[in-house]
Parts: sequence; C-alpha cells; structure tokens
Amino acid sequence: GAGVSQTPSNKVTEKGKYVELRCDPISGHTALYWYRQSLGQGPEFLIYFQGTGAADDSGLPNDRFFAVRPEGSVSTLKIQRTERGDSAVYLCASSPNKGTQETQYFGPGTRLLVL
Amino acid sequence: GENVEQHPSTLSVQEGDSAVIKCTYSDSASNYFPWYKQELGKRPQLIIDIRSNVGEKKDQRIAVTLNKTAKHFSLHITETQPEDSAVYFCAAGGGNEKLTFGTGTRLTIIP
Repeated sequence: GAGVSQTPSNKVTEKGKYVELRCDPISGHTALYWYRQSLGQGPEFLIYFQGTGAADDSGLPNDRFFAVRPEGSVSTLKIQRTERGDSAVYLCASSPNKGTQETQYFGPGTRLLVL
Repeated sequence: GENVEQHPSTLSVQEGDSAVIKCTYSDSASNYFPWYKQELGKRPQLIIDIRSNVGEKKDQRIAVTLNKTAKHFSLHITETQPEDSAVYFCAAGGGNEKLTFGTGTRLTIIP
C-alpha cells in the first residue's frame, strides 16, 4: 500500500513568511509524529498526535510552530514568521499504535529553506 | 528526558567484513529500540528493532543486541556489501510515543 507522503517536497521562503507543510499518513495509522532533521543530525522530535489530539507537543521549539490533525488523518505543520534557523528537513512518521505494533514509518520529508 | 549517544560517527569497513555501531541511552523507562538506515536525500527506513524483553534479535545479516542493565544496544552487520553504505541511526522510545535519535553513523563499505 501507499506509504507516508509529504508535500511539498521542497519549500523555499523568505524570512518572516508563513509556511504550511502537509503530511498524509498510512491509512489506518492512528499515531502521527513530526520530526525535524538538520544537516548531519538525527531526527529531532517536534509533536505527536494520537487521533486528532496532540498527545505530546514538548518538542515544538517555540510558539511560532503549530500543528493540527483535525480529522485524525492528514496533518499540517504550520510555521509563522519563519527564521533562517528553521531551515531543515521536516519529517513526518505514522504508526499503527496497536500494542507492540509501534514501528514508525517515515515520509520523504519536506526540505525547508528560509532565505 | 531521554538522551541517546551513538558511536562511531563514521565507519569504513572492507566489503565482506563486519560493522558494529553502538548506542547508549539514559532513560530506564525506554523499552523500544529501533535502527534506521538513511540513504542520501531519502527517508529513514527501519531495518531492525528490539524490545526490552529481548536481549538479541537477528534478521539475516543484521543483528541487534540490548543490555538493559548497562543501557546500551548495538547494531551488527555481517558480510557487508556496497549497498550497506548509508547513515545509520539508533533510537530509543516506547509506549508508541516519541523516539529520541542518536546523531548517526556514516558507514562506508570499501569494495
């Protein structure tokens, strides 16, 4: 079946602009995660959804970052007043979240460049 | 919170030899330890995982060992092949919650 998909694959914006990044999880996966990966680093946790609600948003760096998952499927990560330091690859992952079925399947990421 | 350290940061091995990557973690509550392989410009892909009720797991040329007492786990790749060249990440987590990743190991297989 289809894996996790993310759009756009690349996004170039100017400092101060607003961006939205979209994630389509694997069908039926109730858990959805956002991570951020800087060059040469491992993915860094941002936020985790269980269904429609944010179960853990402790990784969001500040209040410019916000994410939603209104129908428990597609999620959107929103970044206001972008800064050059926000440049990174934003990865989305989903998981069945059923007992020991906790493997997180990653999407291809959105490469964000803030000029 | 959880802290995961990974060593070495780079590793070069001759084709056919074995490669070992080691990770330590800090949170004794972590009970799930996956390993991901990431090729340049691609998504991280799970290659093997282990849960805290198991000490070792093997899948063909790949094996993972876990020592909960010492809070460390290792990835072993035997009979390495050129297609094994990639960046490998260990992670720790559990309970279907967030994963904390190591900083990665760039593995290069020399033909």
